[in-house]
Amino acid sequence: DTAVSQTPKYLVTQMGNDKSIKCEQNLGHDTMYWYKQDSKKFLKIMFSYNNKELIINETVPNRFSPKSPDKAHLNLHINSLELGDSAVYFCASSQPGGVAEAFFGQGTRLTVV
Amino acid sequence: RKEVEQDPGPFNVPEGATVAFNCTYSNSASQSFFWYRQDCRKEPKLLMSVYSSGNEDGRFTAQLNRASQYISLLIRDSKLSDSATYLCVVNERGSTLGRLYFGRGTQLTVWP
Repeated sequence: DTAVSQTPKYLVTQMGNDKSIKCEQNLGHDTMYWYKQDSKKFLKIMFSYNNKELIINETVPNRFSPKSPDKAHLNLHINSLELGDSAVYFCASSQPGGVAEAFFGQGTRLTVV
Repeated sequence: RKEVEQDPGPFNVPEGATVAFNCTYSNSASQSFFWYRQDCRKEPKLLMSVYSSGNEDGRFTAQLNRASQYISLLIRDSKLSDSATYLCVVNERGSTLGRLYFGRGTQLTVWP
């Protein structure tokens, strides 16, 4: 049983398109995150939600819009994709406060051409 | 200034070697510390938490120096399967606003 699952695993799309990545966790955690890992392997937080409420938005362009329909789901919609959006996007979940382990999904490798 | 800094390596060591990774963090209010491991093209996974008194898990030993804001990971008797990127992770603070900051990772290759 996958604890944090995200789809799709691979996404290749053209510049200007709109795409979504879905994430679900079955761990009962209150907090979910989106991280971006660029070509230099740096893992940077984009958003954090606690019980469906946005609590962290790390200077991410408005083209990125997270949505949390319930605390087990956190989806990421990206409008007007740009070449620089190419990266691996990881969804994660943990108990609130970041004091415990974060569990990551397998990642979505987004390539914008 | 980055919240978490670590030597990116790469470290290339023979099987059986002992290797140490270091990490520094900038926020003195940080409360939780971790080492994660990330295999190539995989997601990060928790290797071990780091406690104030230092802790050991088999061949892995983690140390924390709060005064110097310094964290270390020691791997003894390296195995081929230890080849991965090791990420130093620090939380912002222990509240609902807490977030995890990741270092850039230290790449380790263990050769036969």
